Amino acid sequence: SAVISQKPSRDICQRGTSLTIQCQVDSQVTMMFWYRQQPGQSLTLIATANQGSEATYESGFVIDKFPISRPNLTFSTLTVSNMSPEDSSIYLCSGGLALSGEQYFGPGTRLTVT
Amino acid sequence: TQLLEQSPQFLSIQEGENLTVYCNSSSVFSSLQWYRQEPGEGPVLLVTVVTGGEVKKLKRLTFQFGDARKDSSLHITAAQPGDTGLYLCAGAHSGYALNFGKGTSLLVTP
Repeated sequence: SAVISQKPSRDICQRGTSLTIQCQVDSQVTMMFWYRQQPGQSLTLIATANQGSEATYESGFVIDKFPISRPNLTFSTLTVSNMSPEDSSIYLCSGGLALSGEQYFGPGTRLTVT
Repeated sequence: TQLLEQSPQFLSIQEGENLTVYCNSSSVFSSLQWYRQEPGEGPVLLVTVVTGGEVKKLKRLTFQFGDARKDSSLHITAAQPGDTGLYLCAGAHSGYALNFGKGTSLLVTP
């Protein structure tokens, strides 16, 4: 398995502001991903965080709204920009193992935008 | 587009009962993973199945991967309140991208 830590665990933010979420993974992880989840529902992939280059975004997600950095193998950030109440959700970071393709998740960041 | 159909979406049972959750797709997966998530936490990986027809057991949980690697099931024997949570199946095609099912919310009451 892999250990994934994420912070903050929760935040309440005002409309129009931005929040940066940090994710730290242990060294055996090679891939990092960011997901969004409404409580009690499934996960939606936002993007794959690529080390040293631009993230790969899924349909419906754009870099201007969700800029992602991954300066090294074990650290990534996701910024939720110019927030609106519709951005209220749980944001999850995951790390993937090279050999098995298994993904391990952080505890999530619960974001509320007022 | 949700490639994985998961059923049932909600399940409320009493302690001691058995249950089965299904995960179906028209796509072939290289592997399929099952997760359990409790409120306020991230999903926790329960098992990965890779080979068609594979059966894996984790205490009272039995996981099966279909022969064609398009579907999977999770069977829980003698459910306990501690089994309560959101169960998610996720299929991998190539590389590492996972396609998640919609999840099954399980409530086990004493």
